[in-house]
Amino acid sequence: AQKITQTQPGMFVQEKEAVTLDCTYDTSDPSYGLFWYKQPSSGEMIFLIYQGSYDQQNATEGRYSLNFQKARKSANLVISASQLGDSAMYFCAMRDTGGFKTIFGAGTRLFVKA
Amino acid sequence: SAVISQKPSRDICQRGTSLTIQCQVDSQVTMMFWYRQQPGQSLTLIATANQGSEATYESGFVIDKFPISRPNLTFSTLTVSNMSPEDSSIYLCSVDADYEQYFGPGTRLTVT
Repeated sequence: AQKITQTQPGMFVQEKEAVTLDCTYDTSDPSYGLFWYKQPSSGEMIFLIYQGSYDQQNATEGRYSLNFQKARKSANLVISASQLGDSAMYFCAMRDTGGFKTIFGAGTRLFVKA
Repeated sequence: SAVISQKPSRDICQRGTSLTIQCQVDSQVTMMFWYRQQPGQSLTLIATANQGSEATYESGFVIDKFPISRPNLTFSTLTVSNMSPEDSSIYLCSVDADYEQYFGPGTRLTVT
């Protein structure tokens, strides 16, 4: 069965510093996609970044990068130069390309300090 | 990309009543997904809705409690029936587009 694990319930980071949010996953499907979403207090789910299991390069989107280590089954999100507006809940998610279902981790709440 | 709207954005309902949530997408999509997010929790998939066929429900969710309609490729509804306080959650509609998954703004439901 597929599983996503986020072991950090909460994280603190100083403004302008980088932070890494951990995510490990488990699947027997060789083809899958990994996602990170941001959920501010308003409740909306904001797509941040996507990594395909066959992608050779780590995905990057502006200040967000995904540290994909396939052998370790980890897909950590790195946020560079943190901003106060980055304070939110962050969810790691995985979808197998066959089933089209996405499962979510428990989430990590990030607090950015001024 | 896909832009999704949901109605209502929030509601307070009495136990025993039902609420229908609407989801509208700005483009035609094959599959639409309904998620529930209970307070302080992660997202849980309720069901997958394909146009022209019955929705596929995940374990723990049944059609009698969460009937879904999918009349065309841009619209779906989720009804939360015979509500109890345990149904208080955010309900989110979602679609796939270009290998990305997009979410609506959510419907924040409180059952008293």
